[in-house]
Amino acid sequence: SAVISQKPSRDICQRGTSLTIQCQVDSQVTMMFWYRQQPGQSLTLIATANQGSEATYESGFVIDKFPISRPNLTFSTLTVSNMSPEDSSIYLCSVDRSTDTQYFGPGTRLTVL
Amino acid sequence: DQQVKQNSPSLSVQEGRISILNCDYTNSMFDYFLWYKKYPAEGPTFLISISSIKDKNEDGRFTVFLNKSAKHLSLHIVPSQPGDSAVYFCAASVGAQKLVFGQGTRLTINP
Repeated sequence: SAVISQKPSRDICQRGTSLTIQCQVDSQVTMMFWYRQQPGQSLTLIATANQGSEATYESGFVIDKFPISRPNLTFSTLTVSNMSPEDSSIYLCSVDRSTDTQYFGPGTRLTVL
Repeated sequence: DQQVKQNSPSLSVQEGRISILNCDYTNSMFDYFLWYKKYPAEGPTFLISISSIKDKNEDGRFTVFLNKSAKHLSLHIVPSQPGDSAVYFCAASVGAQKLVFGQGTRLTINP
């Protein structure tokens, strides 16, 4: 498995501001993923982050709104920019450790007022 | 377009009995299927997976069955324990990367 930590665990933010979420893994991984779980909804992939290259965004998600950094093989950040109440969600990072498994961090619960 | 569906939002099972959670998918390109368990305020915990070349995978109390012709998979938990009460998500992917999740089924194990 993998030990994955996220910071912050939760935050309450004002609309129009930005929040950067950090994801740290206990060992090097090739791919890191960012997901969002809106209230009462399932998990939706935002983007895939590879070290040394631009993140790949899924349909409906854009870099200006969700910029991602991947400076090394154990760390990534996701920024939620110019937040609105609709951005209130749980944001999760995950990593792949084998060919058929992804492991998730504990999530960051974001509330936008 | 919901590619992965869990049609039962909730399921209640008596302790010691079998829990069966179901999942349907539409994309025939999916080749990996996973089940996750999620407690409130925690991230999803990986339970078990199966590749499309198999029709069954077993790990302790958990067994996943895959019926490719019906595009259906199920998770069996035997025997069910109170600690199994959680929300269960099935997920599918092409090449085990971009996971597509179902809506989840809330399982409650009654003593």
